[in-house]
Order: sequence, then C-alpha cells, then structure tokens
Amino acid sequence: GAGVSQSPRYKVAKRGQDVALRCDPISGHVSLFWYQQALGQGPEFLTYFQNEAQLDKSGLPSDRFFAERPEGSVSTLKIQRTQQEDSAVYLCASSPGRPVTGELFFGEGSRLTVL
Amino acid sequence: SQKIEQNSEALNIQEGKTATLTCNYTNYSPAYLQWYRQDPGRGPVFLLLIRENEKEKRKERLKVTFDTTLKQSLFHITASQPADSATYLCALGDDKIIFGKGTRLHILP
Repeated sequence: GAGVSQSPRYKVAKRGQDVALRCDPISGHVSLFWYQQALGQGPEFLTYFQNEAQLDKSGLPSDRFFAERPEGSVSTLKIQRTQQEDSAVYLCASSPGRPVTGELFFGEGSRLTVL
Repeated sequence: SQKIEQNSEALNIQEGKTATLTCNYTNYSPAYLQWYRQDPGRGPVFLLLIRENEKEKRKERLKVTFDTTLKQSLFHITASQPADSATYLCALGDDKIIFGKGTRLHILP
C-alpha cells in the first residue's frame, strides 16, 4: 500500500472489554513498532518486531497487552480487560530494514477511549 | 535508564525568525538521532536523521546539529513560516527507538 494503515481509527470500549488494533505496514518493510501516545506526550515505545520475531517487548505496560506479527507483515496489538488508563492513541510505524538505516513511517494511529 | 529531554513548554517565534529546539539525552550513546514533525491528530513524519560522526546536517530550511560530548542535538528552522507550527519530536536508538515528549512550536504571523 501507499503508507502504513491502522484500523480502527477510533475505538470506544467499556472497561473490561478486550480490543484488537490492526497495523498494515508498508509492503516489504522488515521492522514494525508499536507506540502509545497519551494526550500532550511523546510516543512511548511498546514493542518492536523484525519480520515475525518480537525482538523487544519491554515497553508493554502489563500482561494485558499482547502483540503479534505471525507472518512478518500485518501486526495486531491486543489489550485484554481494558482499563481507563489504557485510553490513548496507539501508533504503528514500519521501516524498510533495521531502524538504524533510516526513518520510521507512521500510520495515523488508533485512538482508544475506555469508558 | 535512557532519557530524552525536550523543551516541555511551547515555543513562540515570530514569522521570518529562526526557531531553535533542543534535545538532550542521558544514559545513552546513540549511533544516530532523528527529528520528526507531528501535527494534531496525525502520526509523526520523519524530517532528518543525523549520525554520530556528523556534526551538522541540512535540508532546505532545516538544520540539525549533534554534539555527542554534550549529549545534545539542536534543531533549527530558518525563515520560519506559520505552516511550520507543529510539535517536533526528537528520537534516538539503534533498534528500540525512543522519543522525547516533543516541543510545540507556534510561528506567529
């Protein structure tokens, strides 16, 4: 595709519900990142994939957060038993190779509101 | 732990002047550093990347410096325009890329 695509763009969940956020990276991009961005803050690192391998998940806030990229392309971020503090914009970014070789391409984000 | 600090307050600059944003980092020796622009409701957009062996990099009206001794990068926009108003994010890392909180820049007409 032309760019990184994220869906849904907006999600409202009741506290305790499970949600799944999808990221379609640019075709052929090896690296994929997930970030969480609260209002007025910078993107906070959640996790990083190289192809299908999850190389770093140190930023996932709790075991309610789970990310996968089973075929090295599309990725899903799942949040179980959502809490109000999970309300944020979740950004996905991809890169052609290892990030050290260049820029990250971001999607427009998925805004999650937990009531 | 690794930390990135950017001016947390908004920066107001008169149109036509040079805007200078600061990024300081601690507990890290990055091989390179990146700057991104973010508009409200949008994802960040890449602007410039500078490597540790480069002191300065330019792209049109943008200039970035990287001082690995001071652990600081400066981001300059010359001849600023109202359209340059946005939040500017500093990022560093080799694989795990971390971002600063960003500086909101307002260019006043």
